[in-house]
Amino acid sequence: NAGVTQTPKFRVLKTGQSMTLLCAQDMNHEYMYWYRQDPGMGLRLIHYSVGEGTTAKGEVPDGYNVSRLKKQNFLLGLESAAPSQTSVYFCASRRYFGGRYEQYFGPGTRLTVT
Amino acid sequence: KQEVTQIPAALSVPEGENLVLNCSFTDSAIYNLQWFRQDPGKGLTSLLLIQSSQREQTSGRLNASLDKSSGRSTLYIAASQPGDSATYLCAANYNNNDMRFGAGTRLTVKP
Repeated sequence: NAGVTQTPKFRVLKTGQSMTLLCAQDMNHEYMYWYRQDPGMGLRLIHYSVGEGTTAKGEVPDGYNVSRLKKQNFLLGLESAAPSQTSVYFCASRRYFGGRYEQYFGPGTRLTVT
Repeated sequence: KQEVTQIPAALSVPEGENLVLNCSFTDSAIYNLQWFRQDPGKGLTSLLLIQSSQREQTSGRLNASLDKSSGRSTLYIAASQPGDSATYLCAANYNNNDMRFGAGTRLTVKP
């Protein structure tokens, strides 16, 4: 049981380049999330998904797109990277257990846009 | 606007000391509140989750309390150890999918 995994761990992009971050979970969770974490700030929700084939916007969705074609995978895309998107990106999945919801986080992807 | 604030931003204590980390949230209509631990370069690990109807949760040396009416939560760590050194984040969960995080308290426990 690998939990939540993220690929890649590190990436450097030039302004205008595109890339896709992959999040995978093997816990059969319905809900998945993408966050970004910036210095001195808490995590902010970019997009989320409540099940296969569904996506929704979070607090800071501009400049990002997502897809959930398979239940176990949640992809985050940057079509034209900007320096403001330099951040650490975390993926999470959520389960309902014992009458409550709990989120499980991946190890993060550190992205630098120059 | 739903904001979460954590005070202090950083804390350094000697080993063995009891300590309290504070979290405040502007909108008291939370679904639950969760405390996480984050080690450098790593993801978040859930420590405690308090439902909006609960007042506190305990796990080992950790105790988290919740006062919805005042918009506050505290994380109490008893008999701190160097292994407790990490950043502690609180997150207020609104409407199930809207989780607002504080910026965290960076804790250092000195041997």
